[in-house]
Amino acid sequence: LAKTTQPISMDSYEGQEVNITCSHNNIATNDYITWYQQFPSQGPRFIIQGYKTKVTNEVASLFIPADRKSSTLSLPRVSLSDTAVYYCLVVKDTGRRALTFGSGTRLQVQP
Amino acid sequence: ETGVTQTPRHLVMGMTNKKSLKCEQHLGHNAMYWYKQSAKKPLELMFVYSLEERVENNSVPSRFSPECPNSSHLFLHLHTLQPEDSALYLCASSQEESSYGYTFGSGTRLTVV
Repeated sequence: LAKTTQPISMDSYEGQEVNITCSHNNIATNDYITWYQQFPSQGPRFIIQGYKTKVTNEVASLFIPADRKSSTLSLPRVSLSDTAVYYCLVVKDTGRRALTFGSGTRLQVQP
Repeated sequence: ETGVTQTPRHLVMGMTNKKSLKCEQHLGHNAMYWYKQSAKKPLELMFVYSLEERVENNSVPSRFSPECPNSSHLFLHLHTLQPEDSALYLCASSQEESSYGYTFGSGTRLTVV
């Protein structure tokens, strides 16, 4: 599985856009990039997944450059409730896909 | 509710007790997983079940014993645990061939005294 590297923590203020970048230099051709969000004492929640270029949903956008060695999760206009840990994962497209989580990025949103 | 329900939400047990954690999913998924999350540590994958068959066991001590009687239910039987086993135990399910990720339950907070 491709190893991922992301910042340990980030701070932001309400209303700002937050971009969390993840490095995955050894990503394979058939791997997807997936992001999860976890609040304290809860299970992680799927946010967004992409293969290349840009993916957008009602929660976030995911930007993946052409070389796919990194990706950026973009959270528009964060609120206090976006304070959580965000995990970047690389997932195989086929076969068994047991998720392996790293340490994630702890985002703290201030008023 | 996420569609994956875990019970109990909290459990305190002595080191000589036997208890079981239960997980139930109503999403029609065909794979289920147990994860352990200790304080300030990443989630650790413990067991993977696919179509009710255990397909992965990540060197978990035998005091943890999983059971998957059908595709909707997953249990984690606990016996003679140690204080360091205190953690949040999370169950997840997925449709193996789907690219849209897992659905996690809210977890069982286990304290071993």
